Amino acid sequence: EAQVTQNPRYLITVTGKKLTVTCSQNMNHEYMSWYRQDPGLGLRQIYYSMNVEVTDKGDVPEGYKVSRKEKRNFPLILESPSPNQTSLYFCASSLFLRLDEQFFGPGTRLTVL
Amino acid sequence: AQKVTQAQTEISVVEKEDVTLDCVYETRDTTYYLFWYKQPPSGELVFLIRRNSFDEQNEISGRYSWNFQKSTSSFNFTITASQVVDSAVYFCALSEYGGTASKLTFGTGTRLQVTL
Repeated sequence: EAQVTQNPRYLITVTGKKLTVTCSQNMNHEYMSWYRQDPGLGLRQIYYSMNVEVTDKGDVPEGYKVSRKEKRNFPLILESPSPNQTSLYFCASSLFLRLDEQFFGPGTRLTVL
Repeated sequence: AQKVTQAQTEISVVEKEDVTLDCVYETRDTTYYLFWYKQPPSGELVFLIRRNSFDEQNEISGRYSWNFQKSTSSFNFTITASQVVDSAVYFCALSEYGGTASKLTFGTGTRLQVTL
């Protein structure tokens, strides 16, 4: 089954404790992206990757890091989480330049205390 | 820059009423895609429809219909005979096609509450 998986689905952590949210897709997609969703703001892009070893900032990259060492994985790293990073995070993937067919993961609800 | 505006923050209707969710977009591109997603209380994003900028035909899928008008840069979504299960947050989104396309631009969402 074609899918995008995220782990963990729910996470409560404390300020400053490094964490990684994993994202994996099994569709051989070149393009992957991270979004965060906050009330009243919709979804905003954090980082995206056009292919292995190619990443770039989205609209709200501060406080996040990403890496793309393998085509299927695109982890989101919070080196020193803060309460303002409490949010619902979505990973997405698509074929290169085919954002009209973008697949979303199930979301990761992160709470930073 | 791309922009999507969903001016309706929350809408409440009684079951069986028809409801229209508005979406207005801005883009400089002549080729683009428009989307609607549903986010039920469980949180996942459910894809509803994709429409490219060259296809202005309205679309109907069961109780759902979409009205795309390039002249007013709008892509409105109507639910006919609403049901409690339609209660969700609905997002309109826009993407460029090709070139340096890098993201979907989402509106802020409209929360629809359908009550008995």
